[in-house]
Amino acid sequence: NAGVMQNPRHLVRRRGQEARLRCSPMKGHSHVYWYRQLPEEGLKFMVYLQKENIIDESGMPKERFSAEFPKEGPSILRIQQVVRGDSAAYFCASSPQLSGHGYTFGSGTRLTVV
Amino acid sequence: AQTVTQSQPEMSVQEAETVTLSCTYDTSESNYYLFWYKQPPSRQMILVIRQEAYKQQNATENRFSVNFQKAAKSFSLKISDSQLGDTAMYFCAFMPPTQGGSEKLVFGKGMKLTVNP
Repeated sequence: NAGVMQNPRHLVRRRGQEARLRCSPMKGHSHVYWYRQLPEEGLKFMVYLQKENIIDESGMPKERFSAEFPKEGPSILRIQQVVRGDSAAYFCASSPQLSGHGYTFGSGTRLTVV
Repeated sequence: AQTVTQSQPEMSVQEAETVTLSCTYDTSESNYYLFWYKQPPSRQMILVIRQEAYKQQNATENRFSVNFQKAAKSFSLKISDSQLGDTAMYFCAFMPPTQGGSEKLVFGKGMKLTVNP
């Protein structure tokens, strides 16, 4: 089992461009979470998805950010028209079910907006 | 809203010594889960230990143990026989009961632990 795979590991975008971050959950895991880690901060919840459904997006900024988890393929976090304040590490995590056991994190994508 | 506070931003310890990392949280819930995650320079978030609030017994995982004081809303992590590989950022995290089918983690700001040879 390869674990939670995120790519790319590093992503550099110019202001105004789009950033697409990918996450493949662990095999058998149907629950995907996205978190953002700003410099010198802990992780902050963004969104929780199951296959083809957004369950909780209470942590997502209202504009420019969107997420999907299609029936086939990885989960995608998309940031349109990036700004310098979007520079952060974005982590994906997955779990097989809701159980209170926490989940397995990927290694994150570090987004730098120049 | 639940909050998690890690008041010590940084600590250092000598190899083989014992160190305790502090964490407090605020919640009105009675059932919840608490976690300690480790983030080494590789940036990978690694689960260290987990505690269920309805269990009085403190969780233990090899060299890692917790002191869970529910009334005081305190959840400290003790690392025994510290090793160089324990050098990392450590994050305390709180998970409230499942709400609307979502299990969100609320993280503290983290604490940088350095183990010196």
